[in-house]
Amino acid sequence: DIVMTQAPLSVSVTPGESASISCRSSKSLLHSNGITYVYWYLQKPGKSPQLLIYRMSNLASGVPDRFSGSGSETDFTLKISRVEAEDVGIYYCGQLLENPFTFGSGTKLEIK
Amino acid sequence: QVQLKESGPGLVQPSQTLSLTCTVSGFSLTSNSVHWVRQPPGKGLEWVGAIWSGGSTDYNSALKSRLSISRDTSKSQVFLKMNSLQTEDTAIYFCTRLSYWGQGVMVTVSS
Repeated sequence: DIVMTQAPLSVSVTPGESASISCRSSKSLLHSNGITYVYWYLQKPGKSPQLLIYRMSNLASGVPDRFSGSGSETDFTLKISRVEAEDVGIYYCGQLLENPFTFGSGTKLEIK
Repeated sequence: QVQLKESGPGLVQPSQTLSLTCTVSGFSLTSNSVHWVRQPPGKGLEWVGAIWSGGSTDYNSALKSRLSISRDTSKSQVFLKMNSLQTEDTAIYFCTRLSYWGQGVMVTVSS
């Protein structure tokens, strides 16, 4: 199974500042079709996960452009610019390249 | 408007079978895959399995021997059946397209 390793476990951010979350996969997530199958989700307290970024760098519909994704074949970053109070929750990276799809253990974002 | 909604028993006894239904709207099952993802209380996400647009299925190898996913396209429903349940199967079970997610259903395995 592909292991997804996230860091840090938690991050505390002042509103208006930026935050970055890292994710590393144990295997390249670059498919032969040129697409990198890493996804980012936010799970707000008591809610279902919501898709933020798909295929490493594509912003999901309705997601503010304060969120951005980047990376290589095995190292990925979610950046949140101008953090707002509504951004609190647990962020997960996930790989949707091969069965079984797997997720990182999550990064909890809190507001200072 | 894409929607997915899970339904099923909240409590299942150990060794029994779990049956969940995902009722979808706003899209066709013959054009989209539907996945099941579960989340034990206070823990992370675990992919359970999927049924693809063509009707084929994939399962998490750790659960494959106990798991079955099927669908009824005429009713826009996807079904999950998992047998030999243990306390470790206690979790919120989500039905999802991996873009859109249902609200989840809490399943507790306990006698």
